[in-house]
Amino acid sequence: KNQVEQSPQSLIILEGKNCTLQCNYTVSPFSNLRWYKQDTGRGPVSLTIMTFSENTKSNGRYTATLDADTKQSSLHITASQLSDSASYICVVSDRGSTLGRLYFGRGTQLTVWP
Amino acid sequence: EADIYQTPRYLVIGTGKKITLECSQTMGHDKMYWYQQDPGMELHLIHYSYGVNSTEKGDLSSESTVSRIRTEHFPLTLESARPSHTSQYLCASSEGFGTTNEKLFFGSGTQLSVL
Repeated sequence: KNQVEQSPQSLIILEGKNCTLQCNYTVSPFSNLRWYKQDTGRGPVSLTIMTFSENTKSNGRYTATLDADTKQSSLHITASQLSDSASYICVVSDRGSTLGRLYFGRGTQLTVWP
Repeated sequence: EADIYQTPRYLVIGTGKKITLECSQTMGHDKMYWYQQDPGMELHLIHYSYGVNSTEKGDLSSESTVSRIRTEHFPLTLESARPSHTSQYLCASSEGFGTTNEKLFFGSGTQLSVL
């Protein structure tokens, strides 16, 4: 069964600290993996997209890694800010159709305290 | 900032009412989608469209219907709302056709509450 599991479910850190969010997937075949940031009451916003051949991609203070062999990804946030408080969603696409079906994780709820 | 707009942002209605959730995008994208999301849960695809006059049901069974008469407009309609329809509804669009890394752009969502 194709699934995307994220951990931890929630995380609280102090402003300025770093943190790492995890994503494990069983989706096969694999096309790409995306990380989205979703603020409360808003739609998700794309942070990174990685294909099979990419093992790291950065977007400002966000760095995503991908290990396609172990089917694991992580999102590292450096020097966290209050505005980083949000849900971070891992999404995996297969190659079953033109777009590829998207499998969504339930997200990690990150809270950054001052 | 994505140019995709959803109205209303919040809607509270009584059981049995007919409602239409609006979604418009100004990016000229052919593909549009409707997702349903409950708190702490993953997004579920309920409808999608690959272009004008094209609509398909998604993975999650839904009593809603959609239409795609114009490229920029993809409304979702519930003929008779029920409390089980209470959820957040997210509209999205993407560019390109057949590209591996198509980027999804989401609207801000409509939070629907049916009493």
